[in-house]
Amino acid sequence: TQLLEQSPQFLSIQEGENLTVYCNSSSVFSSLQWYRQEPGEGPVLLVTVVTGGEVKKLKRLTFQFGDARKDSSLHITAAQPGDTGLYLCAGEILGDDKIIFGKGTRLHILP
Amino acid sequence: KAGVTQTPRYLIKTRGQQVTLSCSPISGHRSVSWYQQTPGQGLQFLFEYFSETQRNKGNFPGRFSGRQFSNSRSEMNVSTLELGDSALYLCASSSSGAGVGNTIYFGEGSWLTVV
Repeated sequence: TQLLEQSPQFLSIQEGENLTVYCNSSSVFSSLQWYRQEPGEGPVLLVTVVTGGEVKKLKRLTFQFGDARKDSSLHITAAQPGDTGLYLCAGEILGDDKIIFGKGTRLHILP
Repeated sequence: KAGVTQTPRYLIKTRGQQVTLSCSPISGHRSVSWYQQTPGQGLQFLFEYFSETQRNKGNFPGRFSGRQFSNSRSEMNVSTLELGDSALYLCASSSSGAGVGNTIYFGEGSWLTVV
């Protein structure tokens, strides 16, 4: 059972465009993280969100945790080729201590 | 400080063989967790070790096992390899655990191909 659904699976856009990717679940998470993974490397943590409704910004990336802590979004403004990669969300289900990962959104920014 | 180191980076094995992968965590980190990443299933949690004890386990068959040594280095073993075991195996370390509340640092992974 895939508990974290990420959409879209693939996204290819031009440099300079804006985009939003989503991470959804029917489960409540105590916290949620976003990672970026580049080819041949392991995932690298971008952000952790903990509070429902929380918004965090990392330069051109804006992360939001849903009010009910069941979903999250990542918005990239003015995408650049360096943003290319696999974006993974990961959550810890309330009451559990294991991380569940989504399958990821593979983002390709065309120069 | 040095990151998480995994060896070997690439290996090819034959069905039925067994394989051992190694992970050296960041110095001072006591938690090591292992993940399997495939295009179809994504990143799936295998198990976590903390101070030489398995603290959590994912839903993988008993062919997948691991251990952690007193210096926090960890190994995972897969016996009786199947074609479906072909994957990127990632190790991650953290100072206190694999829960999302803690920051985990991934290694570059070991690419296993079973033929």
